[in-house]
Amino acid sequence: EAQLVQSGAEVKKPGESLRISCKASGYIFTTYWINWVRQMPGKGLEWMGRIDTSDSYTNYSPSFQGHVTISVDKSISTAYLQWRSLEASDTAMYYCARPRRRGPIDAFDIWGQGTMVTVSS
Amino acid sequence: QSVLTQPPSVSGAPGQRVTISCTGSSSNIGANYDVHWYQQLPGTAPKLLIYGDNNRPSGVPDRFSGSKSGTSASLAITGLQAEDEADYYCHSYDSSLSGSGVFGGGTKLTVL
Repeated sequence: EAQLVQSGAEVKKPGESLRISCKASGYIFTTYWINWVRQMPGKGLEWMGRIDTSDSYTNYSPSFQGHVTISVDKSISTAYLQWRSLEASDTAMYYCARPRRRGPIDAFDIWGQGTMVTVSS
Repeated sequence: QSVLTQPPSVSGAPGQRVTISCTGSSSNIGANYDVHWYQQLPGTAPKLLIYGDNNRPSGVPDRFSGSKSGTSASLAITGLQAEDEADYYCHSYDSSLSGSGVFGGGTKLTVL
């Protein structure tokens, strides 16, 4: 069974760096893109960006370009979402999600359980 | 402000039919990108409900159906049940944003 398991909740201070992870299992990791989705407290879903796990090619939403970095480590079937300098407004739940089929544009049928990031001084 | 527009809330009594609209533009839904729908129960990750405008993944009851016309799409739920109370999101892609994913703002369904 294909699944995505994310790293645990994080509490950080403004200005700190952070990397959260999304480990895939049950399928060939490099066959599918991985997307990241933000959900701020009490708010809706926002698409952040995606990565082609076969060659690390990335696309970012203009809203997140330059503020986060998406990467992968194929050797351990894991995708990452990284911040160099967190802001209080980064406080949110972050989900990784896999498309139904190969290719970047499709519905997300596999979701991670989410990683809650809290940024507070 | 979301690229796709959904009503913030809808409600219905058990057994009734409700619809949730998702309005986009010529660069997303109107550009023939598929529309997908997700159900999110409180405290859980979203779950795929409808893909490719009107297809149900295995295990999703046929009470849920999707449709698309022009620059809009709709999710219909018939035979409303208490367990359907959740947030619902539409999802598509946008050519003006280099194929970026876009979500609707979400609709809270209340079963009266």
